[in-house]
Amino acid sequence: AQTVTQSQPEMSVQEAETVTLSCTYDTSESDYYLFWYKQPPSRQMILVIRQEAYKQQNATENRFSVNFQKAAKSFSLKISDSQLGDAAMYFCAYRILPYSGAGSYQLTFGKGTKLSVIP
Amino acid sequence: DAGVIQSPRHEVTEMGQEVTLRCKPISGHDYLFWYRQTMMRGLELLIYFNNNVPIDDSGMPEDRFSAKMPNASFSTLKIQPSEPRDSAVYFCASSLGPHSYTFGSGTRLTVV
Repeated sequence: AQTVTQSQPEMSVQEAETVTLSCTYDTSESDYYLFWYKQPPSRQMILVIRQEAYKQQNATENRFSVNFQKAAKSFSLKISDSQLGDAAMYFCAYRILPYSGAGSYQLTFGKGTKLSVIP
Repeated sequence: DAGVIQSPRHEVTEMGQEVTLRCKPISGHDYLFWYRQTMMRGLELLIYFNNNVPIDDSGMPEDRFSAKMPNASFSTLKIQPSEPRDSAVYFCASSLGPHSYTFGSGTRLTVV
């Protein structure tokens, strides 16, 4: 079974600084997706960034980037120039590719990291 | 598009009562998922549908839980009878194939 582990229950960062959130996962599959979701107090689940495992290039979305280390099964999220609006719970998630033929299309989530941004 | 719409946003009910949560997926999406979020267990998949057919309900905790998708634009999650341990946030999500995933705003259920 796939598992996702986020070892940092809480993190804080000064406004305008950079912070990195950690995520490791366990899978026997070779092709899969990895995601970072943001959940602000409004509880809406917002997709931050997505990485396909077959792509070696790290995904980037504006101030958000990932460090994907497939061999180490590590998928960290870097937030640059942190803003007050970045304060939220961040969830790492895993999903198999459709043609793998195994399992469902569910997202498997980590327990989350609560990020606080200090003005 | 209005996104995935869930109702109600909040529900408070007494133990033993029936609770029905509703979800309208994004038009054209062929997958629908129900998740439950609690502090202890995080986000868990309860059940998912493909083209209105339940595919995997192994996450449904007990027979008290049931889900239906009578058509492509509507799904319900019912708990009967409800118990305090069912208190959680319930999310519905829909996707077009496995390549996109959009969550609703969730329903916060409190069973007293």
